[in-house]
Amino acid sequence: AQSVTQPDIHITVSEGASLELRCNYSYGATPYLFWYVQSPGQGLQLLLKYFSGDTLVQGIKGFEAEFKRSQSSFNLRKPSVHWSDAAEYFCAVGSYNNNDMRFGAGTRLTVKP
Amino acid sequence: NAGVTQTPKFQVLKTGQSMTLQCAQDMNHEYMSWYRQDPGMGLRLIHYSVGAGITDQGEVPNGYNVSRSTTEDFPLRLLSAAPSQTSVYFCASSYTKHRDRGGGYTFGSGTRLTVV
Repeated sequence: AQSVTQPDIHITVSEGASLELRCNYSYGATPYLFWYVQSPGQGLQLLLKYFSGDTLVQGIKGFEAEFKRSQSSFNLRKPSVHWSDAAEYFCAVGSYNNNDMRFGAGTRLTVKP
Repeated sequence: NAGVTQTPKFQVLKTGQSMTLQCAQDMNHEYMSWYRQDPGMGLRLIHYSVGAGITDQGEVPNGYNVSRSTTEDFPLRLLSAAPSQTSVYFCASSYTKHRDRGGGYTFGSGTRLTVV
């Protein structure tokens, strides 16, 4: 089965600084990759997704992610972080048929003023 | 458009009690699933369904039952609650073959369950 590793449990950045959250996946077929964000006490919201084509994908709230097949990675980036970006971020990998999506353990982002 | 609705939002059970967590969606999604979220472990798939009458096990199915009698509803049953089932439970739905239809899951707001 597929799996996802998010190496960083907790990251702290200053407001206005750039951000990169790491994600590595393991999947035998063509991966369908996702990033979700979870604010405290809330469900998960889809930030962006990659299915095929351009390896740099744009999402909501100014986020982007780059798919690198050779590194089995799908890292999330944002050029300038806002205090409202403080949340937990989850990377996920799924299949074409959309069943059995697997999530990483999450990275908690703290934003310093 | 309500999306995915989960009830209750909070629940405290005694060990050995049973209960059903409810999940309903109004988007005509074929696929529905249940995850549990525990600190440091992310979301783990419990059960999923690709359509009415069809269910399958995920990573951590033990202690949980599901059924899918309609497209809209996908209840999760705990037959005999154990403290290890203390967690936050999320229901999610989507179209199948999501590449063709937008992709990604829609999540409910969660049920926080404590078993004492």
